[in-house]
Amino acid sequence: QVQLQQSGAELVKPGTSVKLSCKASGYTFTSNHMNWIKQTTGQGLEWIGIINPGSGGTSYNVKFKGKATLTVDKSSSTAFMQLSSLTPEDSAVYYCASGTTSFAYWGQGTLVTVSS
Amino acid sequence: DVVMTQTPVSLPVSLGGQASISCRSSQSLVHSNGNTYLHWYLQKPGQSPQLLIYRVSNRFSGVPDRFSGSGSGTDFTLKISRVEPEDLGDYYCLQSTHFPRTFGGGTKLELK
Repeated sequence: QVQLQQSGAELVKPGTSVKLSCKASGYTFTSNHMNWIKQTTGQGLEWIGIINPGSGGTSYNVKFKGKATLTVDKSSSTAFMQLSSLTPEDSAVYYCASGTTSFAYWGQGTLVTVSS
Repeated sequence: DVVMTQTPVSLPVSLGGQASISCRSSQSLVHSNGNTYLHWYLQKPGQSPQLLIYRVSNRFSGVPDRFSGSGSGTDFTLKISRVEPEDLGDYYCLQSTHFPRTFGGGTKLELK
């Protein structure tokens, strides 16, 4: 069965960076695009961007350009999202979700807390 | 960006009853290829969102036929008949016709 296993919760300091991971199993990693989504109580669900694991091609929400960088490691079927120059407004649960259009499968989410 | 407006924000229901959630988009969700990329998700407390309906009216694998989706253009509806306890949670619509993808603000289905 399809599974997306995300890395554990992070407590990070303002101004630093963090790299989240999402390991896929149960399907051919390069056959489905991977999306990243941010969830906060105040802003709801926000789409950050999408990566094609086969080509490495990406598309970002303008709001997150310069904040998020999406990459993949095909050898380990893992997608990554690096968040840079973190501020308290980046505190959220971040999800990976596979699928080009309908986001059929989601990871369990990674809680990122930005605090000094 | 396409704005997705969901109503109501909160929807009290009785078990065994029916619920209807509306999702309206600020522009047409008909893609140039003729498909309409409007999807519905349920997020149960403490869980990730799960896909219920894709492309307006197609039930995802394992989703009971109590869930049905309809609509076109900019106006879409999710109906839940014979509400069961496991249906309670937050419902979201998502459009993936346009970039950036955008979600509705959510509807909380709760017991009356």
